[in-house]
Amino acid sequence: DAKTTQPNSMESNEEEPVHLPCNHSTISGTDYIHWYRQLPSQGPEYVIHGLTSNVNNRMASLAIAEDRKSSTLILHRATLRDAAVYYCILRDGFGGSNYKLTFGKGTLLTVNP
Amino acid sequence: GAGVSQTPSNKVTEKGKYVELRCDPISGHTALYWYRQSLGQGPEFLIYFQGTGAADDSGLPNDRFFAVRPEGSVSTLKIQRTERGDSAVYLCASSPDPGSYEQYFGPGTRLTVT
Repeated sequence: DAKTTQPNSMESNEEEPVHLPCNHSTISGTDYIHWYRQLPSQGPEYVIHGLTSNVNNRMASLAIAEDRKSSTLILHRATLRDAAVYYCILRDGFGGSNYKLTFGKGTLLTVNP
Repeated sequence: GAGVSQTPSNKVTEKGKYVELRCDPISGHTALYWYRQSLGQGPEFLIYFQGTGAADDSGLPNDRFFAVRPEGSVSTLKIQRTERGDSAVYLCASSPDPGSYEQYFGPGTRLTVT
C-alpha cells in the first residue's frame, strides 16, 4: 500500500485558516486521496476526497499538488470543534481491496481560543 | 437519521474470558467493517462483510477473533480467551456498498482486559 506522511501535531488559533499537509510520494495513478478526522472519544468521520483536481465541500478544501505527491487539507476558519486527529489516506480507485482504509497516526490538531 | 451504533460502549473483562461486541450499521448499508484502534495509533482493519459473508478477514490477528453477520445487518465481533493485548477501542463502520467513498463509523467499544 502506498504510504502517507503527516506531521505528528499542529496548532492553530480559533478563526484562523489551517493547512494540514500530507506527503504521498509513492502514490499511484489510481489512488484517491481521502481525509478523515477523529474527534476525541468518537469514531473517524469522512472529511473530503479527491483524485487530481482541488475539491471543496462544506467542511474543508483539498489542494492537490500537480504531481500528486502531496496534498493539503485546508480548514478555512478553525473552530474549537475542529480539534481532532486528521488522517490522510490513499484508496485505490480500482483495486480489489479498495474498501480497506489504511490509517497512519495522523496529525493531532490543537485549536487555541 | 440514525448512525452506526455499537454496544457496549465500554467493556471490562478478565483475562481468559469471552466477549462479544455488537455493531448496528446504518439501515440499508450492505458493507460493514471492523477496525481496532490501540492507544496513540490509527485504526487498523480487521474484517469486511459484504452482506452476510466475510469477504476479507485478513486483518483478524489470530483465531481467537471471529465475527458474524447472519442476516446482513447487525454484526457481532467475538473474542475468545481474551488477553491483555486485546485491550483497545473496537470500531465498526458501514457504507452503502464497498465502493462508496465514505465509511460511516460508530463511536466504538472500549475493551479493557484486566
